[in-house]
Amino acid sequence: DGGITQSPKYLFRKEGQNVTLSCEQNLNHDAMYWYRQDPGQGLRLIYYSQIVNDFQKGDIAEGYSVSREKKESFPLTVTSAQKNPTAFYLCASSIIGEGRETQYFGPGTRLLVL
Amino acid sequence: DQQVKQNSPSLSVQEGRISILNCDYTNSMFDYFLWYKKYPAEGPTFLISISSIKDKNEDGRFTVFLNKSAKHLSLHIVPSQPGDSAVYFCATRHSSYKLIFGSGTRLLVRP
Repeated sequence: DGGITQSPKYLFRKEGQNVTLSCEQNLNHDAMYWYRQDPGQGLRLIYYSQIVNDFQKGDIAEGYSVSREKKESFPLTVTSAQKNPTAFYLCASSIIGEGRETQYFGPGTRLLVL
Repeated sequence: DQQVKQNSPSLSVQEGRISILNCDYTNSMFDYFLWYKKYPAEGPTFLISISSIKDKNEDGRFTVFLNKSAKHLSLHIVPSQPGDSAVYFCATRHSSYKLIFGSGTRLLVRP
């Protein structure tokens, strides 16, 4: 089945610790995205990538880092510099092309701070 | 400043009736709009989209209307079903294929 997988479903972070969230897609999509959702709010863009080995900061990139070494994979690292990391993290992917930018989302990872 | 606004945080509708979810945007250059449905602890699911060259797009029980002069779009669900209870997000395409999302409207369909 084609789709987007995220792991783990729940992740606990200790103070000062870096943690990495996994996102994999087998849809052959060029673009991948990371969003953060906080209670009662919409989705805010953290980072996005349109091509392998290239990525751009979104609206709230501080305290996060990403890599795009493979088309299928776009891991997100939440660093110790992110002071309020507790949130629901969503990965998405899309085709790039006029009128085809519909983004498809994975099931999400909930990050909690211990 | 929010570029996409969903001013109603919640909506309650009787099963079988019409649900109307609204969304306003600020930039007349936005040209592609989407609606997503989200259940708790799950990723959003794409529902329906509309290009700015149209004013209506229909898919089964779901219809999206776009009023460009008012910078307003709405999602109609008819008839509403209990399984439609979820949070609905509108989104619009920004530059470089980014999407901007509204804050969502929680729909409750009462049996």
